[in-house]
Amino acid sequence: GAVVSQHPSRVICKSGTSVKIECRSLDFQATTMFWYRQFPKQSLMLMATSNEGSKATYEQGVEKDKFLINHASLTLSTLTVTSAHPEDSSFYICSATQGPPSPLHFGNGTRLTVT
Amino acid sequence: GQNIDQPTEMTATEGAIVQINCTYQTSGFNGLFWYQQHAGEAPTFLSYNVLDGLEEKGRFSSFLSRSKGYSYLLLKELQMKDSASYLCAVMDSNYQLIWGAGTKLIIKP
Repeated sequence: GAVVSQHPSRVICKSGTSVKIECRSLDFQATTMFWYRQFPKQSLMLMATSNEGSKATYEQGVEKDKFLINHASLTLSTLTVTSAHPEDSSFYICSATQGPPSPLHFGNGTRLTVT
Repeated sequence: GQNIDQPTEMTATEGAIVQINCTYQTSGFNGLFWYQQHAGEAPTFLSYNVLDGLEEKGRFSSFLSRSKGYSYLLLKELQMKDSASYLCAVMDSNYQLIWGAGTKLIIKP
């Protein structure tokens, strides 16, 4: 159980375009979903926390107008990287939880390359 | 501030046992998690401890001492596929996860 599906797994886009990444909890209702970014050989960096039906809470230094998060239902959250630039190239990972103290379950991640 | 400390890198031999330590200082405590992350992949959940003591799950065990702010992950009968990063994370009083930087475990034949 506790499967989180994330897609696409890999995307290449041109600078200036927008990319949407989907995160779905397949067999449980996720009260909270988290979006992380990870650069090569670095730790997970939390970008934002989203609760179903409310605005996402962004971490310091993360531009909310650039990284749009929508958590429309208890099983789906989306991250849209708007006007992507090469420095946005990274590994984006979503995770979901039924609520504390349940563990986070991670999607397989999306490798974004902006050319 | 809140912080999680774990060694950056460890090396062990196939078939042996290795213990990865994690110490933490957080505002409140609602449990400690261990995750495994292979290079280029997302983390996968290994264990959760909220009470003191040892939790055993196959070849992997996790220990917690809340009074010492200390946990360890014990891996037995190491296999080459256990080469990965192991992440320690603590859930604080606000139910937010505080992540350690991870320990890269290298298994040698």
